[in-house]
Amino acid sequence: EPEVTQTPSHQVTQMGQEVILRCVPISNHLYFYWYRQILGQKVEFLVSFYNNEISEKSEIFDDQFSVERPDGSNFTLKIRSTKLEDSAMYFCASSDPRGLVQRMETQYFGPGTRLLVL
Amino acid sequence: AQKITQTQPGMFVQEKEAVTLDCTYDTSDPSYGLFWYKQPSSGEMIFLIYQGSYDQQNATEGRYSLNFQKARKSANLVISASQLGDSAMYFCAMREAPFGSYDKVIFGPGTSLSVIP
Repeated sequence: EPEVTQTPSHQVTQMGQEVILRCVPISNHLYFYWYRQILGQKVEFLVSFYNNEISEKSEIFDDQFSVERPDGSNFTLKIRSTKLEDSAMYFCASSDPRGLVQRMETQYFGPGTRLLVL
Repeated sequence: AQKITQTQPGMFVQEKEAVTLDCTYDTSDPSYGLFWYKQPSSGEMIFLIYQGSYDQQNATEGRYSLNFQKARKSANLVISASQLGDSAMYFCAMREAPFGSYDKVIFGPGTSLSVIP
């Protein structure tokens, strides 16, 4: 069964450093998302991406964050200058456009990247 | 204001028994979808079941069923014949389709389920 994959599974970085989290969405999906989950808290939406542009972003997704689809398979989240409070699990998700009429596509999540900023 | 409420932070169930995890939601949009995800201790987010606001019947997927009561805005997850592997965090989530903002999924705070042998 096709699945979303994410690399690395764990990343430790120093405050102020740049990190790039990588995702390979399910191959026929066209909508891509990033969420984060701070330890012990709920999952929060960061950004959605369609047709090579951001379709929606949350207030968390400030100028330190950017997303890119550099080729036909990868979808990346870059944090330009990490802060301690960026420590979290980051989930990538993708969805299938066949539910287009009601926009009710199920989002399938990757296994997550656990980011620790020291 | 909370869009998704899960009033049970933790639940216990005996193996092989059924368990209901509560979820209520708040939306003024007539078109929305409701999801349940399972998050085991390993951290991944596993899709379990989906219910559309216009669906006439309650969704079922194997041992999972969704008790959808639209007027009460509740979407409880029922797990039948609990197994030890069901021990995990369970998140109720909603996707609204208001004009111009139809992409994100909003998650509830989660319910931690422990299955006792």
